[in-house]
Amino acid sequence: AQKITQTQPGMFVQEKEAVTLDCTYDTSDPSYGLFWYKQPSSGEMIFLIYQGSYDQQNATEGRYSLNFQKARKSANLVISASQLGDSAMYFCAMREANAGGTSYGKLTFGQGTILTVHP
Amino acid sequence: KAGVTQTPRYLIKTRGQQVTLSCSPISGHRSVSWYQQTPGQGLQFLFEYFSETQRNKGNFPGRFSGRQFSNSRSEMNVSTLELGDSALYLCASSFSLGAEAFFGQGTRLTVV
Repeated sequence: AQKITQTQPGMFVQEKEAVTLDCTYDTSDPSYGLFWYKQPSSGEMIFLIYQGSYDQQNATEGRYSLNFQKARKSANLVISASQLGDSAMYFCAMREANAGGTSYGKLTFGQGTILTVHP
Repeated sequence: KAGVTQTPRYLIKTRGQQVTLSCSPISGHRSVSWYQQTPGQGLQFLFEYFSETQRNKGNFPGRFSGRQFSNSRSEMNVSTLELGDSALYLCASSFSLGAEAFFGQGTRLTVV
């Protein structure tokens, strides 16, 4: 079973509009972290936002916010006021703690969503 | 503060050769992870090092190996290259195990 599912291969949005990129995850580990990364055509993975499984509030970072619905196992990224420079591939990723409760670094990624912002 | 630096940025190798990729983490970061990105398989975890020790390993053949030096710099080596090893190899550094991971720009390897 896929641990991270991004069901939108591509999304289009008008400049200055908000857009939501979907991400659902699957884990039986009570302690985990969810990440969103942006990958422009240059290839670099740019960290956007992080949500811990025990965090009570949804994470926000500037124009990025994470709509965390734990019971539904979803962690959607909301980008407000889209800009042309937001056009890129976006990846949702999860880090699970190991059995001993120590979180190692392995990230499991979804297949990504290509976002295109139109002027 | 300098980001994660990967060298070289681009590499072309012939089948059967071996290759070594380098990653210099952000100053003060002690954890380095490696990922392979291909159009077909997406992003896949290769291995993670912390304090010169491999802490976690992905499902890759033994041709893929890595190491970390005392200054936290890491190298990964792929021996007996195959066409399917053509990929973008990304390195990520973290302050500690489980902390936020910051990625480099990657090394694009082409095997011909």
